[in-house]
Amino acid sequence: EVQLVESGGGLVQPGGSLRLSCAASGFTFSSFAMSWVRQAPGKGLEWVSAVRGPGDGTYYADSVRGRFTISRDNSKNTLYLQMNSLRAEDTAVYYCVKDFRGPPFEYWGQGTLVTVSS
Amino acid sequence: QSVLTQPPSVSGAPGQRVTISCTGSSSNIGADYDVHWYQQLPGTSPKLLIYANTNRPSGVPDRFSGSKSGTSASLAITGLQAEDEADYYCQSYDSSVSGSVVFGGGTKLTVL
Repeated sequence: EVQLVESGGGLVQPGGSLRLSCAASGFTFSSFAMSWVRQAPGKGLEWVSAVRGPGDGTYYADSVRGRFTISRDNSKNTLYLQMNSLRAEDTAVYYCVKDFRGPPFEYWGQGTLVTVSS
Repeated sequence: QSVLTQPPSVSGAPGQRVTISCTGSSSNIGADYDVHWYQQLPGTSPKLLIYANTNRPSGVPDRFSGSKSGTSASLAITGLQAEDEADYYCQSYDSSVSGSVVFGGGTKLTVL
């Protein structure tokens, strides 16, 4: 059974940093691209970033490029999202999602809430 | 402003049929990219409902169906049930958008 468990969310001040983690199990982690998708309170879904299975290709939405860094540790079956220079508009539930372009997003984590506020 | 346009809300009585549209352009749906649909029940993570325009994952009732034509796609729900009340999102790919993955703004389905 595929499981994706996010952690690392919380309250952070504007301009601060936070690192999200996603522990994956139930599939060969290194063989699949992984994505982060976020949802601001009461709003729709927004794709944020993705990384290829081997970790050799990363992709970002324009809204986070230059501030967020996606990475993965295939030896630990873990996906990361390093978020710097956080803004109020980054406040959202962040979902870890299996796959990227092509296959649909069949597996989602439970999400972790990031709140950027002073 | 989402790249894919959905109506903010639709409603229907139990047993009725409703449709949710997802309108794109020549750089996304019209470029023959697949459209996927997700259902998000209150307080839960999105769930894949329809993939590759018309296909249902295992366990999704056949009351749910998808279609695609030109620059638009649609989700149809027949025999509406109270538990169908949720937010629905379409998703596709856009060659002009960084990362290519795009979502519709979402549609709130209310079962009257």
